Amino acid sequence: KAGVTQTPRYLIKTRGQQVTLSCSPISGHRSVSWYQQTPGQGLQFLFEYFSETQRNKGNFPGRFSGRQFSNSRSEMNVSTLELGDSALYLCASGIWGEETQYFGPGTRLLVL
Amino acid sequence: KQEVTQIPAALSVPEGENLVLNCSFTDSAIYNLQWFRQDPGKGLTSLLLIQSSQREQTSGRLNASLDKSSGRSTLYIAASQPGDSATYLCAVRDNYGQNFVFGPGTRLSVLP
Repeated sequence: KAGVTQTPRYLIKTRGQQVTLSCSPISGHRSVSWYQQTPGQGLQFLFEYFSETQRNKGNFPGRFSGRQFSNSRSEMNVSTLELGDSALYLCASGIWGEETQYFGPGTRLLVL
Repeated sequence: KQEVTQIPAALSVPEGENLVLNCSFTDSAIYNLQWFRQDPGKGLTSLLLIQSSQREQTSGRLNASLDKSSGRSTLYIAASQPGDSATYLCAVRDNYGQNFVFGPGTRLSVLP
C-alpha cells in the first residue's frame, strides 16, 4: 500500500506570495491532518479534515486554510507569505476513530 | 493550554546501552499519548500509542509507560543500536479539541 505523498517536496517563494501544498492520503484513509514544523516552535497542529469537513483547527492565523476533496486528497493554502512561514509542512492520514497517524515526508517551504 | 516538554533535548550513547527518554505534560486530561521517531528530513513514524486507560505499551526493544496523574511518560529503548539514531517526539491528544500537542523532541545519537 502506498504511503502518504506530499507535493511538492521543496518550494521557494517570496514574501507576499501565496502557496498551495498537496497531500494524498493512504488509500482508504479519510482523515487528513496538517502540521507545521519549525526549529523554534517545533511541531504544531494546523487543522484536521474528515469527509471534506474541517474537524479541528489549531491556533494559526486565517492566512492558513485548507480543504479536502471527495477522494480524501487535501490541500493547504497559505496566503500573503511571511518569512516566518518557512517551515516543514507535514501531512498525516488516518482512519477516523483510530489513533495512529501516518505521516508523509513533508514539504519544505522557504520564504525569501 | 496543554504543554509538552521532553528531557533531555539531546543524548549521545554508545551502542548497546539501555536508555530512557522522558516526556511531561501539564494537563492530565488526555485521550492518549503517542511516541514518534523522526529521521532527518523525513516525516514521523509512529512507535507506540498508549491510551489514557493504559499504563504501558511494548514493541520489540521499545517500552513506553504512562503515568497520567503525574503527567509523565517514558520511552525505554533496550540495547540501543546506531539505527536508533533519530529525534524522538511525544505527542498527547487531549480530551477537548482532540488536537495533538507535540513535545520539542529528544535528539538521540547511538555511537557504534
